[in-house]
Amino acid sequence: GAVVSQHPSWVICKSGTSVKIECRSLDFQATTMFWYRQFPKQSLMLMATSNEGSKATYEQGVEKDKFLINHASLTLSTLTVTSAHPEDSSFYICSARRELVKNIQYFGAGTRLSVL
Amino acid sequence: TQLLEQSPQFLSIQEGENLTVYCNSSSVFSSLQWYRQEPGEGPVLLVTVVTGGEVKKLKRLTFQFGDARKDSSLHITAAQPGDTGLYLCAGLYSGSARQLTFGSGTQLTVLP
Repeated sequence: GAVVSQHPSWVICKSGTSVKIECRSLDFQATTMFWYRQFPKQSLMLMATSNEGSKATYEQGVEKDKFLINHASLTLSTLTVTSAHPEDSSFYICSARRELVKNIQYFGAGTRLSVL
Repeated sequence: TQLLEQSPQFLSIQEGENLTVYCNSSSVFSSLQWYRQEPGEGPVLLVTVVTGGEVKKLKRLTFQFGDARKDSSLHITAAQPGDTGLYLCAGLYSGSARQLTFGSGTQLTVLP
């Protein structure tokens, strides 16, 4: 089956540093990937849609300069949290849409970010 | 803004009981998916429903898509502690920008 790999699974960083999270589709190509943020026991909140070869589309209220997204290839999208602060601590999840099955999204295992 | 209401938000039951989770919208879905998520992990796809009135079964789980494709339900028979988790419905609306809209989730706890 389709697999999406997300790395790292857990990261702790100091306030003011930047953190990069990778999302890879392992056995299929994904023109479109999505980045979500999730607070404990809550649903997923879409942050942005990552489009291969073009700029990401950010949801209202999400700072594009804070959350940099790069989708450089059909199998890799990265999310960089710049100048992280404690309020950025959260669970970040990516997903990739399989091109031949456009209404199916496969999710990564998530990244737990803790900013001290 | 399209809303996807999921209920109940929290559910705690004893092993062996049955339960139903509901997912409702005022708009029509082109497809709807159900996911289960465990703490510290990403959502895992359980099922996709596309046709109005469709019923799909996955062992003790029964998924139903409303005739008008505006609602869906997940029924679990004889729940087990291993069913504990966050259940999420997510819909792709007809004519949408091709991105899933998630329900608020149902946190299910099955007590032994």
